[in-house]
Amino acid sequence: DAGVIQSPRHEVTEMGQEVTLRCKPISGHDYLFWYRQTMMRGLELLIYFNNNVPIDDSGMPEDRFSAKMPNASFSTLKIQPSEPRDSAVYFCASSWRAGEDTQYFGPGTRLTVL
Amino acid sequence: AQKITQTQPGMFVQEKEAVTLDCTYDTSDPSYGLFWYKQPSSGEMIFLIYQGSYDQQNATEGRYSLNFQKARKSANLVISASQLGDSAMYFCAMREKTSYDKVIFGPGTSLSVIP
Repeated sequence: DAGVIQSPRHEVTEMGQEVTLRCKPISGHDYLFWYRQTMMRGLELLIYFNNNVPIDDSGMPEDRFSAKMPNASFSTLKIQPSEPRDSAVYFCASSWRAGEDTQYFGPGTRLTVL
Repeated sequence: AQKITQTQPGMFVQEKEAVTLDCTYDTSDPSYGLFWYKQPSSGEMIFLIYQGSYDQQNATEGRYSLNFQKARKSANLVISASQLGDSAMYFCAMREKTSYDKVIFGPGTSLSVIP
């Protein structure tokens, strides 16, 4: 299996622009998680899906952030408009089942908003 | 309130020595899982070891073992025979059944292995 795939790996954009981050989970995994990692706040859970349905989006910082999972093999995290404080590494992770099942992380997208 | 606490922001260990990284957690859910991840300077998150709340024995994976003390709500990671490649950030995480399998991470511990 190719593992969790994220694109792009690096994104540099200007304040006010729309940013779309993409994730392809491991085939067969029912859960998909989006995390943001910064030095100041550590690893924060933004939103997660079960069978393509958002379960908890309480970690999404504000309305500028939105996430979708139109099918079992694809998810997007969109920031519109982007701000410099959104600069971070964004990770996508997936897992097969609930409970004891391990999350497998993608390589992350390093976002820089100028 | 913090659900996962890692009280050691930074740790040093001599190569070939053993080291324990602390993790305490807070939950009222009888069913939960505890995980440890390693994040080297390259940035990827690498799964190390898992412990279920109903597991009777402490988990082990090669040089990694988890010292699970359920009554104290602690899940410390023990790395035996440290290697230079063990230098990284280490994160403790918890997944709770009653929270719809939400996963929460601790703040991490930075481990440096000294030759």
